[in-house]
Amino acid sequence: AQSVTQLGSHVSVSEGALVLLRCNYSSSVPPYLFWYVQYPNQGLQLLLKYTTGATLVKGINGFEAEFKKSETSFHLTKPSAHMSDAAEYFCAVSETNAGGTSYGKLTFGQGTILTVHP
Amino acid sequence: DTGVSQDPRHKITKRGQNVTFRCDPISEHNRLYWYRQTLGQGPEFLTYFQNEAQLEKSRLLSDRFSAERPKGSFSTLEIQRTEQGDSAMYLCASSPGVLQNIQYFGAGTRLSVL
Repeated sequence: AQSVTQLGSHVSVSEGALVLLRCNYSSSVPPYLFWYVQYPNQGLQLLLKYTTGATLVKGINGFEAEFKKSETSFHLTKPSAHMSDAAEYFCAVSETNAGGTSYGKLTFGQGTILTVHP
Repeated sequence: DTGVSQDPRHKITKRGQNVTFRCDPISEHNRLYWYRQTLGQGPEFLTYFQNEAQLEKSRLLSDRFSAERPKGSFSTLEIQRTEQGDSAMYLCASSPGVLQNIQYFGAGTRLSVL
């Protein structure tokens, strides 16, 4: 069974500071990993994904994440926070079969609320 | 491409009533997913369809819950005899069903059971 743990339900940073949101996963097979962002009263928007290949993946809005298999981690970073980054962020994992196809369902972490102070 | 559409956005009902939600996926996406999200938690998987076939159901989906996708396009999620514990955001997502299976989410239906 797969699971996702997001360390820290709330993270607060100053505008211009580094953003680091932590995600660790558990999966019995090589997973696909995702970060989604959710603004109030809206659905989830995909920020970035890791499937295969390069372990450092870049997403929208200046975010990036690095897949570290040895640490079973997929932490999300952004060098300089903007006020518009304030939202809730979810890490998710999807298991794959031997052929590398995703089984489908996503397992989400509990979310991290990012607050950006002026 | 108009995105995933869910209707209604908000539903308030009394305990014991039945409710039905609708999800219209992105055109030509053959996979459709339902998730439930309660306050302070991440979304939890409920069920998913490949075309009209319901391929997996979570244990969270009690007998009071039923989902359909009759023609492989839109889907409905019905909750019978609602309980206060059913209060949540119900999210629908669709994907093209190809290798990486990226899911695109709708804005959700927020259910409040009084």
